Amino acid sequence: QKEVEQDPGPLSVPEGAIVSLNCTYSNSAFQYFMWYRQYSRKGPELLMYTYSSGNKEDGRFTAQVDKSSKYISLFIRDSQPSDSATYLCAMSAGFDRGSTLGRLYFGRGTQLTVWP
Amino acid sequence: NAGVTQTPKFQVLKTGQSMTLQCAQDMNHEYMSWYRQDPGMGLRLIHYSVGAGITDQGEVPNGYNVSRSTTEDFPLRLLSAAPSQTSVYFCASSYSARRNNSPLHFGNGTRLTVT
Repeated sequence: QKEVEQDPGPLSVPEGAIVSLNCTYSNSAFQYFMWYRQYSRKGPELLMYTYSSGNKEDGRFTAQVDKSSKYISLFIRDSQPSDSATYLCAMSAGFDRGSTLGRLYFGRGTQLTVWP
Repeated sequence: NAGVTQTPKFQVLKTGQSMTLQCAQDMNHEYMSWYRQDPGMGLRLIHYSVGAGITDQGEVPNGYNVSRSTTEDFPLRLLSAAPSQTSVYFCASSYSARRNNSPLHFGNGTRLTVT
């Protein structure tokens, strides 16, 4: 079993829809959770960062972490065609837990298309 | 401020050839790393470095060598290219490997095909 599971999609939604992207994980030591966005032919860029459980909101984006269920989500409200990209979740146990320094475990990415 | 710069953008090699993928960052980042991205596999860590002179293996290190003689540069060497190394390679850096909230900054990748 991979450390991080993510449905690759593809996911296609109309402009203005609410998008829900999800990842599950198996390692209970993970406590740092990130979402990266990757446009076609570009490198990933950090979109959201959360520590431990709870919610974090940034504009139209909300990240949720449920450590009890080992489940994280990214919600995109009022989706726009410019949100069309691949979204990768990533997580780590962090330096303090003795993990490989800087080691992030990535999901496979979910390809999202928002059509006008 | 260029960020993370990777060269070349595209490369085609024949089986058995060697080459070096270049990566440079101008942000004075301590941590640098190489990932490969394959369809259905996601990003997999090849090698990483927590500072000049210090390197270590990641998840898929076989067939690759790295060195870190300066803070800025972290080249990835393919010793004898194989078709299984056809992939998109990303270099990424972060300010510190000792700060858990230090985000990774990625380059735009090198697309490598081995025939």
